[in-house]
Amino acid sequence: QQQVKQSPQSLIVQKGGISIINCAYENTAFDYFPWYQQFPGKGPALLIAIRPDVSEKKEGRFTISFNKSAKQFSLHIMDSQPGDSATYFCAASIEGQNFVFGPGTRLSVLP
Amino acid sequence: DAGITQSPRHKVTETGTPVTLRCHQTENHRYMYWYRQDPGHGLRLIHYSYGVKDTDKGEVSDGYSVSRSKTEDFLLTLESATSSQTSVYFCAISESKGTTNEKLFFGSGTQLSVL
Repeated sequence: QQQVKQSPQSLIVQKGGISIINCAYENTAFDYFPWYQQFPGKGPALLIAIRPDVSEKKEGRFTISFNKSAKQFSLHIMDSQPGDSATYFCAASIEGQNFVFGPGTRLSVLP
Repeated sequence: DAGITQSPRHKVTETGTPVTLRCHQTENHRYMYWYRQDPGHGLRLIHYSYGVKDTDKGEVSDGYSVSRSKTEDFLLTLESATSSQTSVYFCAISESKGTTNEKLFFGSGTQLSVL
């Protein structure tokens, strides 16, 4: 119930392409869905987040798409750049409780 | 990394020895967390603190203890290290907990190897 599934485990994309990472959850009480980006040797940092009352949120080249009925959400990176190469974690939380993180996706953007 | 310092950054130790990792923050955030990161498991919460001397267990707390005697410091102790505790440990802080605008700030991590 508290698990967040994430796929793919790794992703290779050409520069300029679209990177898509998917997450799924079971607990319908989750009400906040952030994505964290982690560069090698660094800690994760908040990239973008969404609440379930909206279906999409866009910040620059990064977009979260949210499908409440399917209990799925995804991160889209448009015009992917080599500097986007990192590990991405989706997460979910319930008001007043701790985050549950997905297992992560290692993205490599080839020049 | 948002005023968070973890020490040491790297440590190699032997099975059965005690190990203490330190997290120091300069942001005066109320909440502090210890996570471990392992391939295929993402970030798993070990313990967290919601104030001085106020701590609680996370999902993988067995074999770990924590202490918070000051707002700025959160210590993680492995009482008797085991090889299964080889991992990268991250400290995180947040101003609030469980709100829809909550933002976790992470330190740079400690790579711990238990031989």
